[in-house]
Amino acid sequence: EPEVTQTPSHQVTQMGQEVILRCVPISNHLYFYWYRQILGQKVEFLVSFYNNEISEKSEIFDDQFSVERPDGSNFTLKIRSTKLEDSAMYFCASKMDRNTGELFFGEGSRLTVL
Amino acid sequence: GQQVMQIPQYQHVQEGEDFTTYCNSSTTLSNIQWYKQRPGGHPVFLIQLVKSGEVKKQKRLTFQFGEAKKNSSLHITATQTTDVGTYFCAGYEGQGGSEKLVFGKGMKLTVNP
Repeated sequence: EPEVTQTPSHQVTQMGQEVILRCVPISNHLYFYWYRQILGQKVEFLVSFYNNEISEKSEIFDDQFSVERPDGSNFTLKIRSTKLEDSAMYFCASKMDRNTGELFFGEGSRLTVL
Repeated sequence: GQQVMQIPQYQHVQEGEDFTTYCNSSTTLSNIQWYKQRPGGHPVFLIQLVKSGEVKKQKRLTFQFGEAKKNSSLHITATQTTDVGTYFCAGYEGQGGSEKLVFGKGMKLTVNP
């Protein structure tokens, strides 16, 4: 069964450092997302991406965050200067098309900022 | 913005018991989805409800969408230890084709064998 893959599974970084989280969405999917989940809390929308551009972003997704799809398969989330409060599980998700409801989530990348 | 609330936040049941968990949105939803997240895992899609009053069943799970499309429920019969996890409901913000799926805080289910 096709799946969304994410790397790394766990990243530990110092505050102020840049972090890049990588995702490979399911190959025939057209819509891509990043969500985050602080430990024990709900899943929060960060950004949606379609047709090589951001289609929507939340208030969490400030200037420190960026996304790109550099090569047609990878979908990356970059945090320029990490803060302690960025510590969370980051989930990548994808869906086939606009009319499909189901999001397929990756297993997540746990980011720990020290 | 849109808020999605779930009650209860925690549910502890004996294996074999039935229970129901509820989801309420502050705004009318175009559809509602339910996801399950096992401990240490990622959200996995369970179902999507679109029509007002819609009821769908998946084995021991029954999902319902309210008539006003602002609330939903999940009923599990004869709970098993494999049902353990957090169940999230989620709805898309607004009616205008937003891609922002708003999740509730989840209902964490534990089962006593």
